[in-house]
Amino acid sequence: DSGVTQTPKHLITATGQRVTLRCSPRSGDLSVYWYQQSLDQGLQFLIQYYNGEERAKGNILERFSAQQFPDLHSELNLSSLELGDSALYFCASSAQESSYNEQFFGPGTRLTVL
Amino acid sequence: GENVEQHPSTLSVQEGDSAVIKCTYSDSASNYFPWYKQELGKRPQLIIDIRSNVGEKKDQRIAVTLNKTAKHFSLHITETQPEDSAVYFCARYDTGRRALTFGSGTRLQVQP
Repeated sequence: DSGVTQTPKHLITATGQRVTLRCSPRSGDLSVYWYQQSLDQGLQFLIQYYNGEERAKGNILERFSAQQFPDLHSELNLSSLELGDSALYFCASSAQESSYNEQFFGPGTRLTVL
Repeated sequence: GENVEQHPSTLSVQEGDSAVIKCTYSDSASNYFPWYKQELGKRPQLIIDIRSNVGEKKDQRIAVTLNKTAKHFSLHITETQPEDSAVYFCARYDTGRRALTFGSGTRLQVQP
């Protein structure tokens, strides 16, 4: 157990809908990262927050957004969902601002868009 | 300059043999190279990492080598065991994007 929690574990929804994925980092970690892992694909970096501020942005679609709250938990919002958005979404956390250090991954949320 | 090329995509070895996975990159600004292991249905976990100021790092049966001139780094697992079976991802820290870029993964199967 990495200490990073994600909810829900599974999510099934329809095209065009909107969902929110939630992540709580390890105690004391200020950085939260979001990744998308499609079937048989690697990990695609989406976005990073550090202490409430956006720090780095990757291949995140305009339909997706995220934020980090004062208690440091983070939410990833996915809207106007398409079939291709079906994937495993991981969040990870680290103590430092830079991803030049170990990241601790949560168990992931499996999103299925029908 | 963003991609990390990882080979092979699948690797099957006999228990006790060695396994080598190689990654190449093109951005010379990369300076941190971690390796993550993802067992089936589980989360990725860091197993070893190397920074650009060293050429090799070892941790028991696992080692990573880095050749900055040739822009490639490799994971070496010796005396493989069935519990080493997993998908292994290499990554590099992209100083421009300030984020990790991951390879596409290598599925390692260790046959008992």
